[in-house]
Amino acid sequence: DGGITQSPKYLFRKEGQNVTLSCEQNLNHDAMYWYRQDPGQGLRLIYYSQIVNDFQKGDIAEGYSVSREKKESFPLTVTSAQKNPTAFYLCASREPGRNYGYTFGSGTRLTVV
Amino acid sequence: GQQLNQSPQSMFIQEGEDVSMNCTSSSIFNTWLWYKQDPGEGPVLLIALYKAGELTSNGRLTAQFGITRKDSFLNISASIPSDVGIYFCAGRMNGGSQGNLIFGKGTKLSVKP
Repeated sequence: DGGITQSPKYLFRKEGQNVTLSCEQNLNHDAMYWYRQDPGQGLRLIYYSQIVNDFQKGDIAEGYSVSREKKESFPLTVTSAQKNPTAFYLCASREPGRNYGYTFGSGTRLTVV
Repeated sequence: GQQLNQSPQSMFIQEGEDVSMNCTSSSIFNTWLWYKQDPGEGPVLLIALYKAGELTSNGRLTAQFGITRKDSFLNISASIPSDVGIYFCAGRMNGGSQGNLIFGKGTKLSVKP
């Protein structure tokens, strides 16, 4: 079955460490997205990529970095510069064409200890 | 970044009751989508709407694309305990940035058996 896989499901990080969240899709989708979710805040866009080797900052990109070397993969690195990284992170992808909705992964919960 | 105004923020209802929630925007949208998120999981698409005035059902769920193209409504009839979760509206603006969606902050639904 096609879908989006995020790993790990739970991640613990010490303050000052960088950590990378994985997102892989086998849907052959061009566009991929990273969102951060905090209680009562909805979904806030961190980064997105419309095509391989290209990506743009979203609304809250500071302290995060991404790469898009392969169509299937869009990893997110949470750097030590991110002041409050504890959150639920969601990856999504979208079919080619402008009118389609997103398919989401099951999320990664990051906790800074 | 722009967000949709989604209301209510939360609802506590009795099993069997009907539920209504809505999203409004100051801008015109050409696509409205409704998602449901179970606790600890990613959102799943429930209904997609593409034309002003369109009314679409998915089981006990019914959603409408407002005639002004600035709002959308979701109704759930005869709620059951598994309806618990967060419901998100999402929209795509006319000429919106590369087809990206804008999300509401969600309506958290609790159902008492």
